[in-house]
Amino acid sequence: DQQVKQNSPSLSVQEGRISILNCDYTNSMFDYFLWYKKYPAEGPTFLISISSIKDKNEDGRFTVFLNKSAKHLSLHIVPSQPGDSAVYFCAANEMGRRALTFGSGTRLQVQP
Amino acid sequence: DTEVTQTPKHLVMGMTNKKSLKCEQHMGHRAMYWYKQKAKKPPELMFVYSYEKLSINESVPSRFSPECPNSSLLNLHLHALQPEDSALYLCASSQEGPRGNEQFFGPGTRLTVL
Repeated sequence: DQQVKQNSPSLSVQEGRISILNCDYTNSMFDYFLWYKKYPAEGPTFLISISSIKDKNEDGRFTVFLNKSAKHLSLHIVPSQPGDSAVYFCAANEMGRRALTFGSGTRLQVQP
Repeated sequence: DTEVTQTPKHLVMGMTNKKSLKCEQHMGHRAMYWYKQKAKKPPELMFVYSYEKLSINESVPSRFSPECPNSSLLNLHLHALQPEDSALYLCASSQEGPRGNEQFFGPGTRLTVL
């Protein structure tokens, strides 16, 4: 049973537009969420995180929104750049547990 | 230094071989992790070390044997692996704390078992 789901395996957007990547979770004990970006042949790179006490966190072009009642979070990238093309993983963590639970990833392609 | 390094980048081994994967970080992190990632799947946690002690083993077969010689190094010893163990093995580290925190990943070792 997948506790973190990324239902869109791929997304294509034009350069300069907004990219919105979505993630849903089922475990109500998750209280910390992270987004990672992964290029081929590299390890995941931490992008941005959000605690369940917040509903929004912003870092430059990246903003993560959390809707706890819907158990949904999203990553907005504005404006999108060709260098953003990668696989994006959503991950969740439960207080007191060391493991991150990852979603299956969304491949983002930003067209020049 | 905000990097996690892993060696080797690629490894091909037979089912009777013994090999080791190495991971190093100099960020002062006291938690280190091994993950396994199969193609088109998310990373799956294998082991967690906290202050050089094994704190989590996610029911990993004994043919995988982790070792943490000091706070900067993490090894994964491999023996009698199966072809289905072929995957990308990722090392990560984080600050110690009550949760996973932001984990910093290395580039991984691509393992092929023949």
